[in-house]
Amino acid sequence: DAGVIQSPRHEVTEMGQEVTLRCKPISGHDYLFWYRQTMMRGLELLIYFNNNVPIDDSGMPEDRFSAKMPNASFSTLKIQPSEPRDSAVYFCASSSRLAGGSDTQYFGPGTRLTVL
Amino acid sequence: AQSVSQHNHHVILSEAASLELGCNYSYGGTVNLFWYVQYPGQHLQLLLKYFSGDPLVKGIKGFEAEFIKSKFSFNLRKPSVQWSDTAEYFCAVNSDNAGNMLTFGGGTRLMVKP
Repeated sequence: DAGVIQSPRHEVTEMGQEVTLRCKPISGHDYLFWYRQTMMRGLELLIYFNNNVPIDDSGMPEDRFSAKMPNASFSTLKIQPSEPRDSAVYFCASSSRLAGGSDTQYFGPGTRLTVL
Repeated sequence: AQSVSQHNHHVILSEAASLELGCNYSYGGTVNLFWYVQYPGQHLQLLLKYFSGDPLVKGIKGFEAEFIKSKFSFNLRKPSVQWSDTAEYFCAVNSDNAGNMLTFGGGTRLMVKP
């Protein structure tokens, strides 16, 4: 398996522009997570999906952020409009829930976002 | 709500020194425990995990961790570190009431001097 795939790997944009980050989870995984990592705040969970349905979006910082999962193999995280404080590395992770337990989350390579 | 504490934010060691990174969590129920490593500029990778059974878990690259339920701890150890172990290490917990969500600790940055 190719693992979790994210695109783009790097994104540089100007303040006010719309940014869309993409994620393809590992085939067969039914959970998908979006995280943000910064030096100041560490690793933060933004939102996660189970079977394409958003379960917990309490970590989404504000209404400028939105995430969708139209099918089991694709998810997007959109920031509109973007601001310099959104600059971070955004990771996508996926996992599957084994009977009676929790499986490992596998992380993608991340998207490094810079908002000027 | 569960929380995870990693007491050491930065650790500097010389090669061949022994390593122990602390991790404590706050949840009294059934937990699954993980250690992830993030090498500079890379994504998080699983080092080891504990679900049940032997509380001493062996992972990749010579790492091991011991689950001590009475202390709510899951410390990471390696007898002899190498320069290539320079990375950030994250402890994470999933509990039986948290769905499939992981709660991560703040991370420990390890620098190994050659």
